[in-house]
Amino acid sequence: EAQVTQNPRYLITVTGKKLTVTCSQNMNHEYMSWYRQDPGLGLRQIYYSMNVEVTDKGDVPEGYKVSRKEKRNFPLILESPSPNQTSLYFCASSFRTSDEQFFGPGTRLTVL
Amino acid sequence: QKEVEQNSGPLSVPEGAIASLNCTYSDRGSQSFFWYRQYSGKSPELIMSIYSNGDKEDGRFTAQLNKASQYVSLLIRDSQPSDSATYLCVSRGSQGNLIFGKGTKLSVKP
Repeated sequence: EAQVTQNPRYLITVTGKKLTVTCSQNMNHEYMSWYRQDPGLGLRQIYYSMNVEVTDKGDVPEGYKVSRKEKRNFPLILESPSPNQTSLYFCASSFRTSDEQFFGPGTRLTVL
Repeated sequence: QKEVEQNSGPLSVPEGAIASLNCTYSDRGSQSFFWYRQYSGKSPELIMSIYSNGDKEDGRFTAQLNKASQYVSLLIRDSQPSDSATYLCVSRGSQGNLIFGKGTKLSVKP
């Protein structure tokens, strides 16, 4: 089944404890992206990648890192999480930048 | 800042009626437009894409695009309670990035 998977789906952590949210797609998509969604603010892009080893900042990159060592994986890293990073996170992918994106199931992160 | 504007709603329609969802966009260079449906706590799922002026129909859904007015709409005919969700209007900006509206919440009353 063609899909985008994210892990974990739910995470409660404490301020400053490094964490990684994994994202994987099995559709051979070149473009992958991370978003966060907050009430009243909609979806905001954190980082995106147009291909392996190519990543770029979105609208809200502060406090996040990403890497794209393989085409299928695009992990999101929070080196020192803070409470303002409590949010619902979505990974998405598409064949090309211009195509519609397929979203993962989401990761609900709470930072205490 | 390029934006996509949507009325946040909630838009309430009775079952069987036509629901009309609208958005405007500021990036005149946008060429691609998408409507996503998002149930509470779930991920967005693509309903329609539209690239040229005019109407595009798919089952009960019709997307309309007017580039001169920078206006996109989604009509849902014969609305069902299962259509109750938040609908996101999305444009592909001239830089290639996706620009998301904040969504319109639709409620279909039985």
